[in-house]
Amino acid sequence: EAQVTQNPRYLITVTGKKLTVTCSQNMNHEYMSWYRQDPGLGLRQIYYSMNVEVTDKGDVPEGYKVSRKEKRNFPLILESPSPNQTSLYFCASRNSGDTQYFGPGTRLTVL
Amino acid sequence: RKEVEQDPGPFNVPEGATVAFNCTYSNSASQSFFWYRQDCRKEPKLLMSVYSSGNEDGRFTAQLNRASQYISLLIRDSKLSDSATYLCVVIGGYSTLTFGKGTMLLVSP
Repeated sequence: EAQVTQNPRYLITVTGKKLTVTCSQNMNHEYMSWYRQDPGLGLRQIYYSMNVEVTDKGDVPEGYKVSRKEKRNFPLILESPSPNQTSLYFCASRNSGDTQYFGPGTRLTVL
Repeated sequence: RKEVEQDPGPFNVPEGATVAFNCTYSNSASQSFFWYRQDCRKEPKLLMSVYSSGNEDGRFTAQLNRASQYISLLIRDSKLSDSATYLCVVIGGYSTLTFGKGTMLLVSP
């Protein structure tokens, strides 16, 4: 089954404790992205990747890192999480010009 | 002007009603257009692509107007299960993908 998976689905952590949210897709897609979604602000892109070892900042990259060492994986790293990073996070993948598939989301709470 | 704009709603309609949403985009070089549906706290899912000639899928009809730079979604015979947020998505130059903030639809009995 074609899908995008994210883990964990829910996470409660404390300020400053490094965390990684994994994302994996099995569709051999070139493009992968991370978004955060907050009430009233819609989906905002954090980082995106056009292929292996090619990443670029989206609209709200501060406080986040990503890597794309393999085509299927695109982890999101929060080196020192802060409460303003409490949000719903979505990973997504697609091929150029094509429809985007989303992961199920990760609900992060930073205390 | 924002890149992709939608009326946030909510649109409150009774079951059986017809409702239409518009989405305007600013980049005239935009290439591909989609409507996504998002249920509360769930991931967005593709509802339908939007073609220049217009396309229909059951009760749903999508249209593209390149001259006026907007796309539309028409839902006929609304069902309770249609209650959701509808996101407009535009793919522009360099394959950049931009989401609207979504239009909320509430269908009541």
